[in-house]
Amino acid sequence: DQQVKQNSPSLSVQEGRISILNCDYTNSMFDYFLWYKKYPAEGPTFLISISSIKDKNEDGRFTVFLNKSAKHLSLHIVPSQPGDSAVYFCAASANRDDKIIFGKGTRLHILP
Amino acid sequence: GAVVSQHPSRVICKSGTSVKIECRSLDFQATTMFWYRQFPKQSLMLMATSNEGSKATYEQGVEKDKFLINHASLTLSTLTVTSAHPEDSSFYICSARSGLAVTYEQYFGPGTRLTVT
Repeated sequence: DQQVKQNSPSLSVQEGRISILNCDYTNSMFDYFLWYKKYPAEGPTFLISISSIKDKNEDGRFTVFLNKSAKHLSLHIVPSQPGDSAVYFCAASANRDDKIIFGKGTRLHILP
Repeated sequence: GAVVSQHPSRVICKSGTSVKIECRSLDFQATTMFWYRQFPKQSLMLMATSNEGSKATYEQGVEKDKFLINHASLTLSTLTVTSAHPEDSSFYICSARSGLAVTYEQYFGPGTRLTVT
């Protein structure tokens, strides 16, 4: 039973345009959400997070939006750059000390 | 940011042998370390959580006698895959958290690719 779902295995976006990665979750107890970026043969690196008390968090080119009623979050990257090509994992936890549940990831290709 | 290393980065072993993977926090004291495995095109699956000086807590479906975890110091945790079989071939990733941080403030190692022949 996949509690965190990333339904798009891959996404291709032109350099300079906006990349939108989507994530859905099923557990209404989740109250903290994270995005990680992963390059091949490397461990994931933390990108950005959002608490359930907010609906938007922005950090430079990265913005995460949370829609609690729809149990949906998205990561926006604008403008997209070649170095953004990687696998992006959506993750969630139910409280501050609970384990993190990861989605399957979305591979983002930034096209020149 | 905090640095976590893993050794080896890649290992090939024969079926029936045991393999030890090390996870080290290089610039902070990791009171808690996590071990994940990832199959191709799948999510990272938490295998176990280990706290320094105590027994690891295994997730449901993970055999504790097969995946031995030792967290003997604040900077080192080891995962030993005992009597490895081809189905154990996977990408194993550790992460570490300092005592002052919450669970989601984990720093991940680069991973270890295990291939069992």
